[in-house]
Amino acid sequence: DTGVSQDPRHKITKRGQNVTFRCDPISEHNRLYWYRQTLGQGPEFLTYFQNEAQLEKSRLLSDRFSAERPKGSFSTLEIQRTEQGDSAMYLCASSLMGMNTEAFFGQGTRLTVV
Amino acid sequence: QQQVKQSPQSLIVQKGGISIINCAYENTAFDYFPWYQQFPGKGPALLIAIRPDVSEKKEGRFTISFNKSAKQFSLHIMDSQPGDSATYFCAASGSRGGADGLTFGKGTHLIIQP
Repeated sequence: DTGVSQDPRHKITKRGQNVTFRCDPISEHNRLYWYRQTLGQGPEFLTYFQNEAQLEKSRLLSDRFSAERPKGSFSTLEIQRTEQGDSAMYLCASSLMGMNTEAFFGQGTRLTVV
Repeated sequence: QQQVKQSPQSLIVQKGGISIINCAYENTAFDYFPWYQQFPGKGPALLIAIRPDVSEKKEGRFTISFNKSAKQFSLHIMDSQPGDSATYFCAASGSRGGADGLTFGKGTHLIIQP
C-alpha cells in the first residue's frame, strides 16, 4: 500500500492524559499536513511541514499541541493534557511541493477523550 | 468566519439522476478548488479538482463548473449511483495552485436512492 498511513486508527484516553499519533506520508511527498475533523464538519487545517520544517500553524493549534517531522519522513502529533473538546478525527495528508499538486489523506485517527 | 460556504447540507437523488452541490468562496486569493468524497470512518478521498484558468473540468461522471466572477463552483454527478452515497466536501486554497492549508466547506451528505 503506497497511500498515507496513520496509526493508531482509534484512541480512547482519559482527560488529562497525553496522546501521540503517527503519520507516514506517501514516500516521495515532501509536504505533510495535519487536519482535525469533528462530527458533521469539514476538516480544519492545523499545520503543515515542508520536509522537516514546520511552515505554518493554525490558530486552532493550541500550546497543548505539538507536531514534529524530524527527518522529513513520518510525522507525529502530540496532544498534552487532553480535554474532552479534543475528541475528533485527526487526519494527515501529504503532497508534492509545487503548483500542480494534489493532497491525499490518510484514514485518520479517531480520538475519544473520556 | 466561514470562507467556503457549501450547500445543500443534505441531498437525496434518485438513481440515474444528476446530483448538484454548490460552493461559494470569499477569498479572492484562492486559486485551487478540489472536491473530496468521504465515506463513514474513512479519510477524505480526492475526487476532482479545478484551477481558475478553466471554467469546467470533467472526469467520467463528475464535472466541476467554476465561475470566477461570482466566486462560485459546483460539482455535478451525472447518472448518480447508490455507491456515490457519501459526504462530499468542497475546498479551496490560495497557495499559487498548490494544496497548502485547504479550507473546507461543511459538507453535503448525499443519498442516492435505488
